[in-house]
Amino acid sequence: GESVGLHLPTLSVQEGDNSIINCAYSNSASDYFIWYKQESGKGPQFIIDIRSNMDKRQGQRVTVLLNKTVKHLSLQIAATQPGDSAVYFCAEKTPGANSKLTFGKGITLSVRP
Amino acid sequence: DGGITQSPKYLFRKEGQNVTLSCEQNLNHDAMYWYRQDPGQGLRLIYYSQIVNDFQKGDIAEGYSVSREKKESFPLTVTSAQKNPTAFYLCASNWGWTGELFFGEGSRLTVL
Repeated sequence: GESVGLHLPTLSVQEGDNSIINCAYSNSASDYFIWYKQESGKGPQFIIDIRSNMDKRQGQRVTVLLNKTVKHLSLQIAATQPGDSAVYFCAEKTPGANSKLTFGKGITLSVRP
Repeated sequence: DGGITQSPKYLFRKEGQNVTLSCEQNLNHDAMYWYRQDPGQGLRLIYYSQIVNDFQKGDIAEGYSVSREKKESFPLTVTSAQKNPTAFYLCASNWGWTGELFFGEGSRLTVL
């Protein structure tokens, strides 16, 4: 079956450092990818997305990199802040009208003061 | 403000009881979804609806039922047939042709 997974279950970083969260996907046909942030007890919030015709996209303090050769997706957070502490999910979507997002298991980012 | 509203936020149920979780959106989205989230796991799709009066099973539909009588509303019933219903339930919506999902704040169901 198709799966989206994350390499590490938890990531601890020092406040002010850059964070890199990695994600592997298995469906080479996926053409759209999203990163979500979920704070404790809340619903996931959209961070950034990228289409398969791009290999990099930047937002405010965040950058998503897509390597289709090795089916790898990463989220980079610059100057990590305590408010960035949350669970981060990657998700992939294949083409087609009935296609749905498939989510990874999530990784916890913990920011040390 | 536009958004997705789930209620109740917390719900307790005795074994053998059916419960219904509410999800309302005022974003004019065509598609609505229900996900289940368990500790240490990703989001798993229960049911989704791309248009009023139509819905499809997701990956873990057994023990659940839904209806889509109005564009704005997509209630989820957790039936007594669901063997392990304690979980965090998330409702989401989008226009159907875009990937980004907008999520509600979730409903936590605990079976006593």
